[in-house]
Amino acid sequence: SQKIEQNSEALNIQEGKTATLTCNYTNYSPAYLQWYRQDPGRGPVFLLLIRENEKEKRKERLKVTFDTTLKQSLFHITASQPADSATYLCALGITGKLIFGQGTELSVKP
Amino acid sequence: ETGVTQTPRHLVMGMTNKKSLKCEQHLGHNAMYWYKQSAKKPLELMFVYNFKEQTENNSVPSRFSPECPNSSHLFLHLHTLQPEDSALYLCASSQDLAEIPQGDEQFFGPGTRLTVL
Repeated sequence: SQKIEQNSEALNIQEGKTATLTCNYTNYSPAYLQWYRQDPGRGPVFLLLIRENEKEKRKERLKVTFDTTLKQSLFHITASQPADSATYLCALGITGKLIFGQGTELSVKP
Repeated sequence: ETGVTQTPRHLVMGMTNKKSLKCEQHLGHNAMYWYKQSAKKPLELMFVYNFKEQTENNSVPSRFSPECPNSSHLFLHLHTLQPEDSALYLCASSQDLAEIPQGDEQFFGPGTRLTVL
């Protein structure tokens, strides 16, 4: 069956550390993968896109990797801050549609 | 502000009521989407419209009826809902649905929190 799995548990880290979130998928062949941030009571906000022929993308303190052999994407936030606390969603791009994972809740403690 | 607005933000309705959710985008996009987000579950795609034409109905029950009168407005008409339909309903838009998907980002509204009693 087709599945998208993100870190099942909430992630708690100390301010200044690097947060690493995982997104694993099975029985999908995405053309691209996107990461979104969602704060409580609000809609998701787009962060980064990475295509199947790209290994890594960076944007300021954010880095995404995409390994189509392992069927995995990693999302890193370096020098994390309490303001980075939110739920992070990965989404696979399949024939123009997005298929979302359930999200990982990140909490950055001061 | 993402350029996508949704009204109402909160809605409580009985199972016999009829109500409508409204979405408006001010971004000049051609594709619009309805998603359902239940607690601890992934966003579920419900409907997709591209240039006002419905291109996707993800096996959604007929008690949910979408309407897209133009590329800027999207409605979700609700009738005879069930308590399990209580969720956050999110509208999103993107530039368009290209034949070769470029991975256009989607812009989401704040959602309507629906409670069915």
